[in-house]
Amino acid sequence: GNSVTQMEGPVTLSEEAFLTINCTYTATGYPSLFWYVQYPGEGLQLLLKATKADDKGSNKGFEATYRKETTSFHLEKGSVQVSDSAVYFCALPYANRDDKIIFGKGTRLHILP
Amino acid sequence: DTGVSQDPRHKITKRGQNVTFRCDPISEHNRLYWYRQTLGQGPEFLTYFQNEAQLEKSRLLSDRFSAERPKGSFSTLEIQRTEQGDSAMYLCASSSEGGYGYTFGSGTRLTVV
Repeated sequence: GNSVTQMEGPVTLSEEAFLTINCTYTATGYPSLFWYVQYPGEGLQLLLKATKADDKGSNKGFEATYRKETTSFHLEKGSVQVSDSAVYFCALPYANRDDKIIFGKGTRLHILP
Repeated sequence: DTGVSQDPRHKITKRGQNVTFRCDPISEHNRLYWYRQTLGQGPEFLTYFQNEAQLEKSRLLSDRFSAERPKGSFSTLEIQRTEQGDSAMYLCASSSEGGYGYTFGSGTRLTVV
């Protein structure tokens, strides 16, 4: 099946800093790729997605580009806020099915005021 | 639509007791998933339903675990004879067929003492 690897945290940044959270994947074909966010005490929320190679997903100032050459889907934000403190998960479908998603281990992000 | 609802939010139980969790998906979603998340890890797939049919069960799901979705709407996850290793967040998610990404509930946090 497919797999995903993301950088370990925690990542600590000051407010307004630039953010990159690395994610690389192994997959057969070109499955959809996702970033989910989990705020303290809550379930996961879909942050953004890209459904084909070279697509860029974006939401709430976050962006990620589906790069097939480097099998990567890094999450970026130009200026982080304290409210972005959360755990971020990179994810993709298992074995190119649309009915089962597998998740990375998550990267905890702390933003200092 | 109020999204995916899970009940209870928190459950503390003594080792050896049985517990049951409930998930109400988004009404138009025919797929429902259960995941387990332990501290510092990403969600791990447990099982999933399409309508009332349980289509897949993970090897993580021992014989003490059972899930149902009797009318293709809400689902229950029961754990019999709980063990301390069952302590985790149990997440429910739903999606439509061919959908891209899930909608998660807020989860049920189980603590076995």
